[in-house]
Amino acid sequence: GESVGLHLPTLSVQEGDNSIINCAYSNSASDYFIWYKQESGKGPQFIIDIRSNMDKRQGQRVTVLLNKTVKHLSLQIAATQPGDSAVYFCAENSGANNLFFGTGTRLTVIP
Amino acid sequence: NAGVTQTPKFQVLKTGQSMTLQCAQDMNHNSMYWYRQDPGMGLRLIYYSASEGTTDKGEVPNGYNVSRLNKREFSLRLESAAPSQTSVYFCASSDFRDRDFGAGTRLSVL
Repeated sequence: GESVGLHLPTLSVQEGDNSIINCAYSNSASDYFIWYKQESGKGPQFIIDIRSNMDKRQGQRVTVLLNKTVKHLSLQIAATQPGDSAVYFCAENSGANNLFFGTGTRLTVIP
Repeated sequence: NAGVTQTPKFQVLKTGQSMTLQCAQDMNHNSMYWYRQDPGMGLRLIYYSASEGTTDKGEVPNGYNVSRLNKREFSLRLESAAPSQTSVYFCASSDFRDRDFGAGTRLSVL
């Protein structure tokens, strides 16, 4: 089956620094990717998505990079704030009615 | 708009008991989903409903049943709860490839 994994299960950054969260995927047929943020006790919340015909997409303080050659996805958060502390999931979709989720990276922002 | 609403938020069951988790969305989405989330694992799809009147199995359907009551509501039923079903359950809806998630139901089966 497909697998979506993360290089680091935890990440701690100083407030104001930039954060980079990585994700590897295995299905080369996946053509749509999403990053979700999950705060404690809440459901996952959509952050940003990217299609496979793009290699970069920017949002407000967030950027997603897609490297299809090595099947790697990253989420960059600029000027990380305490409110960014959460678990971040990547998810891949290959057109079927399902998303495959990674196990998540816990981001902790140190004031 | 409330988005996706799940009830209850918490539940404790004894092995063998049954219960139904309720989910409703007010975004007029066609597709609805039930996921479970366990420590160290990603969200796993239990069942989904691509449109009103249809339901399909996901990755981990055993021990569960679902009902798409109407376009707004999608319920998940545990007929005979087992400790392995202790988890956090999320309902989601969509009209595209991403998902809008509810706040979750924390279920413990003793």
